[in-house]
Amino acid sequence: EAQVTQNPRYLITVTGKKLTVTCSQNMNHEYMSWYRQDPGLGLRQIYYSMNVEVTDKGDVPEGYKVSRKEKRNFPLILESPSPNQTSLYFCASSLRGALPDEQYFGPGTRLTVT
Amino acid sequence: GESVGLHLPTLSVQEGDNSIINCAYSNSASDYFIWYKQESGKGPQFIIDIRSNMDKRQGQRVTVLLNKTVKHLSLQIAATQPGDSAVYFCAEAKPNTGNQFYFGTGTSLTVIP
Repeated sequence: EAQVTQNPRYLITVTGKKLTVTCSQNMNHEYMSWYRQDPGLGLRQIYYSMNVEVTDKGDVPEGYKVSRKEKRNFPLILESPSPNQTSLYFCASSLRGALPDEQYFGPGTRLTVT
Repeated sequence: GESVGLHLPTLSVQEGDNSIINCAYSNSASDYFIWYKQESGKGPQFIIDIRSNMDKRQGQRVTVLLNKTVKHLSLQIAATQPGDSAVYFCAEAKPNTGNQFYFGTGTSLTVIP
C-alpha cells in the first residue's frame, strides 16, 4: 500500500531532550515536507526537500533540523525541544514537487513538550 | 504575510443536502489551489485542485469554484454523506515556489443523519 508513515504517533517529552520524528514513504517520491498544525493557524511548512541531499527552509524552520540521506526517509530533528514546539506534525510527500502535484500526508505525530 | 482564510469555522448539514464551504485568498498572483479533507486523527487528504485559468472543476460529488475577481474559492459537496464529516481546508500555492502552500485554518463539517 502506497503510504507515508511517521513514528512515533504520540510523544511526550521534556524541554531540552533531543528527539527525532521519522518519516518514510514507499512511493519513490522526490519531494518531502514537514508541517506543523496548530489550532487557529492551519498547516505551516517547517522544511522541505526536493530530492536526496537537497533541503530548504519553509515558513517556520527555527528550532528544527532535517536530513535527506535517502529518498524514502525525511526525519525531523528537534535538538532542544521547547514548549512552543508542542504541536501536531505532519510529513508529506509528492512525486516531483512541481505543480500540479498531489501531496500525500502521513497520519501525524502529536508532540507535547513540558 | 499571505493569508488564506475560511468564512465559517463550523458547518452542519443534513444528510443528502449539498454542502458549500468557502475560502478567501489574498494573493492575486496565486495560480493553483487545492482543497483538502482531514478526518479526525488523520492526515489531510487531497480532494480536488484547480488552476487559475479555470473557473470550475468537477470531481466525484465535489465541485470547486474559483472567482478570481474577488479572490474566493468554494467547495461544493453534493448529496452530503456521514462519511463527509471532517475538517475541510483550502491551500493556495505560493507563486513561483513549486510545491509550497499557504493553508487555511479549516471548516469543520458535520453531517446530521
